[in-house]
Order: sequence, then C-alpha cells, then structure tokens
Amino acid sequence: AQKITQTQPGMFVQEKEAVTLDCTYDTSDQSYGLFWYKQPSSGEMIFLIYQGSYDEQNATEGRYSLNFQKARKSANLVISASQLGDSAMYFCAMRADSGYSTLTFGKGTMLLVSP
Amino acid sequence: DAGVTQSPTHLIKTRGQQVTLRCSPISGHKSVSWYQQVLGQGPQFIFQYYEKEERGRGNFPDRFSARQFPNYSSELNVNALLLGDSALYLCASSLVPDHYNEQFFGPGTRLTVL
Repeated sequence: AQKITQTQPGMFVQEKEAVTLDCTYDTSDQSYGLFWYKQPSSGEMIFLIYQGSYDEQNATEGRYSLNFQKARKSANLVISASQLGDSAMYFCAMRADSGYSTLTFGKGTMLLVSP
Repeated sequence: DAGVTQSPTHLIKTRGQQVTLRCSPISGHKSVSWYQQVLGQGPQFIFQYYEKEERGRGNFPDRFSARQFPNYSSELNVNALLLGDSALYLCASSLVPDHYNEQFFGPGTRLTVL
C-alpha cells in the first residue's frame, strides 16, 4: 500500500517569493511515480509536475521544481516567484507500478499568496 | 482538443436515491479512473477501467458501481445515497493505466445529498 503525508495544512507566502510544500511518501514498490496537482476553488485538478522513481535528476516545469530525495522518501514542491494566481490547494500524489496503477493522494496544503 | 468532460456539474439528491455521473475521456485515452473527494480531504480512488474492463476498485461499498463503454466514456452509479456520499466526484483519463502516463482530471461533479 502507498501512503502520502503532507504535514502543512496551510502556507503563506508573499508575491514573488519562493515557497516549498512538503511531501513524504511510503511504499514498498521500487517503481513508482510522484505527482503534484493544483486544485483551485473551481475543483479541477491541474497537473503540475511528475518525477519517476528512477529519474536521476529533479523534475522542473517552468516555475515548479520537485526536490526528490529518494532515500528520505520525500518529494517537495518548490514554487519560485509566487504569483497571486498560485493561491490554491496543492496535492502530492503517487502511483505505483504494481497491480493496477491509481493515484494515492495526500490531504493537501492550502497555499495563500499575498500581494 | 477537448479535455476530460463530466456531467452534470452539480447535483442535489436526497438520502436513499440513486445517482449516475458521466465522464468522457480525452480522445484516444482508453483508461478512466473515478475518485471521491470529501471536503477537506484529498481524492480517494473508487474505480479504474481500461478497455472496458474493471482493473481496480478502492475501498468503497457495493452501492458504488461503474462501467466503461466502447467509446471509452464511463458512468459511475451510486445507489441508496447516504449523507456521507456528498463529495466532489472526479474522473481522470490516461492513455493506458501505467505510472508513466499522466492522469488528466475533469472538472468534477459536486454531489450534495440532503
């Protein structure tokens, strides 16, 4: 079974600053993928970034980067140069390549960006 | 190209009723998954379908059922609704159900059970 832990219920950041959202995971699988999604108040889950368990380099997508530390089983999301539109819920999720591959989500972190 | 679409957007039902939610995947995607998101929680996996076959089921009672049609669209049915079934129901599609393929989510259906 997989488990995702997000320990920060809420985070505050000022516009243009960087912010790190924490995520730790637990799995016995060797092959898996880690995802971050953004969920604005409208409800739709927006894919941000993906990291494969065998990827040697940290994933980056524009202002998003994933700080992947496999030995510590952590996959923190770093958002650089925060914008007001980044205010939303952020979910860390994982998908293991065993049995059927579905997403296991954490409880999420609410990010608020202030001017 | 159209993304994942879901209908209806909102739904209000009373306890004991039955509901059917619909999902159309992205064109070319053959796998559809359903998730339930209760307020304040992350989404929880309900079902996964691939090529019209059920590939996986989460820890949900038999009141929940689903199917996938030849055009890869899907329906989620919930019978004998309970107050606790009030949630956002999300549908996600992917090309195939492996962990290399990103899941794309639809806007969800907000179900309220009174």
